[in-house]
Amino acid sequence: GAGVSQTPSNKVTEKGKYVELRCDPISGHTALYWYRQSLGQGPEFLIYFQGTGAADDSGLPNDRFFAVRPEGSVSTLKIQRTERGDSAVYLCASSSGGGGSGTQYFGPGTRLTVL
Amino acid sequence: AQRVTQPEKLLSVFKGAPVELKCNYSYSGSPELFWYVQYSRQRLQLLLRHISRESIKGFTADLNKGETSFHLKKPFAQEEDSAMYYCALSGHSGGYQKVTFGTGTKLQVIP
Repeated sequence: GAGVSQTPSNKVTEKGKYVELRCDPISGHTALYWYRQSLGQGPEFLIYFQGTGAADDSGLPNDRFFAVRPEGSVSTLKIQRTERGDSAVYLCASSSGGGGSGTQYFGPGTRLTVL
Repeated sequence: AQRVTQPEKLLSVFKGAPVELKCNYSYSGSPELFWYVQYSRQRLQLLLRHISRESIKGFTADLNKGETSFHLKKPFAQEEDSAMYYCALSGHSGGYQKVTFGTGTKLQVIP
């Protein structure tokens, strides 16, 4: 079946603008994760969903970042008033394991550039 | 708190030479350790996990709790092994298993 997909693959925006990044997990996967990967760094945890609810959002850097997963499938990461420091690759992963266990399957990422 | 350290940003070896990618972790409980790999222009994917105790593409990794290490090894490097390798730790946090990644090591296999 299809793997995790993310759209758009690239997003260029201006400082202060609002952006939405979308993640389509593998069908049936209840767990969904967002990570941010800056140049030269490993994936940095942002938020974890189990079903529709955010089980852990402790990685969101500030209140400009918000994520939803209203029907327990597709998730959207929303960034308000973007800053140049938000430029990074945003990765989404999903897994079938409850409680965050199980192998995570990653999407190709969205490269966000804030000018 | 859980932390993963990969001390080498870049490791260059000749084809056929042994490879060891280092990973050390910090975690107070019993962790689950993974190695993820990202080949050029491909997405991040799981290479192996310590609980499986398996060899994937000739790679093995043994969890050493005494040294808090999970080094990735392969006896004879191949050109197709060139990639970014990330060590990751899954530890219990607030009722679920939270995954923390290291900063990654770029493996360059020289023909």
